[in-house]
Amino acid sequence: NAGVTQTPKFQVLKTGQSMTLQCAQDMNHEYMSWYRQDPGMGLRLIHYSVGAGITDQGEVPNGYNVSRSTTEDFPLRLLSAAPSQTSVYFCASSYSQGSDTEAFFGQGTRLTVV
Amino acid sequence: GENVEQHPSTLSVQEGDSAVIKCTYSDSASNYFPWYKQELGKRPQLIIDIRSNVGEKKDQRIAVTLNKTAKHFSLHITETQPEDSAVYFCAATNTGNQFYFGTGTSLTVIP
Repeated sequence: NAGVTQTPKFQVLKTGQSMTLQCAQDMNHEYMSWYRQDPGMGLRLIHYSVGAGITDQGEVPNGYNVSRSTTEDFPLRLLSAAPSQTSVYFCASSYSQGSDTEAFFGQGTRLTVV
Repeated sequence: GENVEQHPSTLSVQEGDSAVIKCTYSDSASNYFPWYKQELGKRPQLIIDIRSNVGEKKDQRIAVTLNKTAKHFSLHITETQPEDSAVYFCAATNTGNQFYFGTGTSLTVIP
């Protein structure tokens, strides 16, 4: 099992450019989510999905779009990059079976918007 | 939504001493409380978790306690070692698909 795989690991964008951060999991988890990590602010939820075809907004969704066409993939799109989106992005997959749950994180994408 | 607060933001201890990190949460529906360790440039890794039907859980030098009435939970690391130096995050969820994180504690263990 590869677990949760994110690409790319590093990216530099110019203001106004668009791009897609890729996330794939091979654990057949129903849930996937995107977080951004900024110094002193922990991880904040951007968008999440409870299954293929279903997505919803988290705490900080503005400027980002997501889709979930398959169980495995959950890409995050930046529509028009802004310097405020400079951050480290983590994708996570998780499951919930009764009282049992756990989240697994990808290796992160460090994004710089200039 | 859920609001998780974490203290302290930085913590320095001598090797062999204990370290305690505390978190509070606001949503009484939250029922799962994981703790993550993040080393520089790496992804968060789960080190221990606790569910709302349990008051305490231990795993070797690491323990977590939960007080549902007061809505707070704590991470205890005993006999700290230099390799325990990292940033630690608490989190809370009641759904398993939306995790709400504290702002992190940077732990430094001084040899």
